[in-house]
Amino acid sequence: GQQLNQSPQSMFIQEGEDVSMNCTSSSIFNTWLWYKQDPGEGPVLLIALYKAGELTSNGRLTAQFGITRKDSFLNISASIPSDVGIYFCAGQLYTSGTYKYIFGTGTRLKVLA
Amino acid sequence: ETGVTQTPRHLVMGMTNKKSLKCEQHLGHNAMYWYKQSAKKPLELMFVYNFKEQTENNSVPSRFSPECPNSSHLFLHLHTLQPEDSALYLCASSQDKARANEQFFGPGTRLTVL
Repeated sequence: GQQLNQSPQSMFIQEGEDVSMNCTSSSIFNTWLWYKQDPGEGPVLLIALYKAGELTSNGRLTAQFGITRKDSFLNISASIPSDVGIYFCAGQLYTSGTYKYIFGTGTRLKVLA
Repeated sequence: ETGVTQTPRHLVMGMTNKKSLKCEQHLGHNAMYWYKQSAKKPLELMFVYNFKEQTENNSVPSRFSPECPNSSHLFLHLHTLQPEDSALYLCASSQDKARANEQFFGPGTRLTVL
């Protein structure tokens, strides 16, 4: 079945560093979403991407919808301690006559002050 | 209360117990969702309700039984669960199923099955 490969699985970075993570798949997606989940909370939508090649920013976060529609990346610039959490990608694709969302396994980010 | 709330936040139950999880959204949305989040696995969509009608059941075992009495409330009734059902159960809502891109999640119920 369809699946998203999200990498890295986890990362430790120093405060102030830039962070990059990505999701790849063998399937073509119509939409890419990036979420952040803080401990003890549900995921919160950060950025939604709807067109191949689209580059969208939300503060220090920038995400891109890959040209092939099979991948997406998320960058965080100048990380701060509150960036710690789990970042999930999700893609929407059309299969078997319906739209489905597939989630990645998450990238666990830890920021060292 | 604002957004999406879930109760209880934590639940420990034996395999022979019957319990229910509750989700309530205060956003005026018409679509509601149940997800299962297990460690190191992708979020798994379980059920979708759109205008109180179940529109998706992703091959979920019958020991999980959803109920949506109105657009603001969603329940997940649990009975004779297995230890592998231990997970974080997340509820979400969106304006309607067509706008599933814009889902708002609750904080989840951490379920432990002994």
